[in-house]
Amino acid sequence: DVKVTQSSRYLVKRTGEKVFLECVQDMDHENMFWYRQDPGLGLRLIYFSYDVKMKEKGDIPEGYSVSREKKERFSLILESASTNQTSMYLCAIRGGRENTEAFFGQGTRLTVV
Amino acid sequence: QQQVKQSPQSLIVQKGGISIINCAYENTAFDYFPWYQQFPGKGPALLIAIRPDVSEKKEGRFTISFNKSAKQFSLHIMDSQPGDSATYFCAAVEGNFNKFYFGSGTKLNVKP
Repeated sequence: DVKVTQSSRYLVKRTGEKVFLECVQDMDHENMFWYRQDPGLGLRLIYFSYDVKMKEKGDIPEGYSVSREKKERFSLILESASTNQTSMYLCAIRGGRENTEAFFGQGTRLTVV
Repeated sequence: QQQVKQSPQSLIVQKGGISIINCAYENTAFDYFPWYQQFPGKGPALLIAIRPDVSEKKEGRFTISFNKSAKQFSLHIMDSQPGDSATYFCAAVEGNFNKFYFGSGTKLNVKP
């Protein structure tokens, strides 16, 4: 079974703080993704990575950066957290028999106060 | 701009009824169309998927209908059960599978 683990289920941070969200996979998958989920907007892609140290912007990268120093770990960084970044954050990897399936972590509910 | 438009936003169905969720897209480069199911407190999980060379795919009570010319696809849940109550997302993917574009989600409530 593919396992995607996000380090925190719930986080509360203050405006202006630097925030790190961590995601770890237990297989050798190349593609990893960060999405945010908001009611009525669905899942929107923030960044994705297709290899170590390789990254590409998704649809809403402003205010975020990412780091992938090791294949199994993909970190999302909020450089200076703002209240409009309060959201559910989901990490995913691409895998499955035909490598067409997105496997998601359980999500991190981030509240910025 | 949303690449995949999904409706309705919420749906209430009686047990045993048929649930229908619709999605539409514009980008003809999409060639893989999965549906994901999400229960509260969990990440989305793949439910069923279709490629545009077929018009229908059925897995148990779940069926995807695909209309390539109209650029629309839908999920039908037959004999809906309370355990099907969840949020459903349609998605569209380009050939390189680097980006999954998700719809806005439909919250389904199946009443006993």
